[in-house]
Amino acid sequence: AQSVTQLDSHVSVSEGTPVLLRCNYSSSYSPSLFWYVQHPNKGLQLLLKYTSAATLVKGINGFEAEFKKSETSFHLTKPSAHMSDAAEYFCVVSAGTSGTYKYIFGTGTRLKVLA
Amino acid sequence: EAGVTQSPTHLIKTRGQQATLRCSPISGHTSVYWYQQALGLGLQFLLWYDEGEERNRGNFPPRFSGRQFPNYSSELNVNALELEDSALYLCASSPQTGQPQHFGDGTRLSIL
Repeated sequence: AQSVTQLDSHVSVSEGTPVLLRCNYSSSYSPSLFWYVQHPNKGLQLLLKYTSAATLVKGINGFEAEFKKSETSFHLTKPSAHMSDAAEYFCVVSAGTSGTYKYIFGTGTRLKVLA
Repeated sequence: EAGVTQSPTHLIKTRGQQATLRCSPISGHTSVYWYQQALGLGLQFLLWYDEGEERNRGNFPPRFSGRQFPNYSSELNVNALELEDSALYLCASSPQTGQPQHFGDGTRLSIL
């Protein structure tokens, strides 16, 4: 079985300070992991993906995430927050066999960026 | 490359009516997924179609149904609409399982 937990439902940071959005997962199979961002009344946009290659994954807009198997974590970071980063972020784990494959979405973390 | 397109953007219905939502995947993507995003309830998985077949279904009543056409586009049908069906319905596509899904901007369904 697969599951994903986003540890914070809301995160507030000041503009120019680092961002850390936390995600833990569990999976009976080797997972693929993704982070998405959703701006109001929009669909989800893929930020980055981990699919069993390099454990440090770089994405768009300066975001990156590190896959840590020993900690079952896939936290999203950015060195310096921008006002435009204010949005909701979703961590996703996908795994399974051909008949049972699933994408499991976390409950989301709403990022607020303060001026 | 055109992204996932959904129509209509907004749909207003009354209780008991039926709604049809449409989705065109990215060219070359054979899998289509439907999600419901209701206020305060997060993203709920509805249906997954691949190569014209229903592969998986979320925990929704049978009045939520859909299909995938030979060109891989898809329809979501919701019968006997209820007030709690008001939500943003998102469609996503992927080239194969394990690859990231690409989302459309959704259809906002409002039930009066």
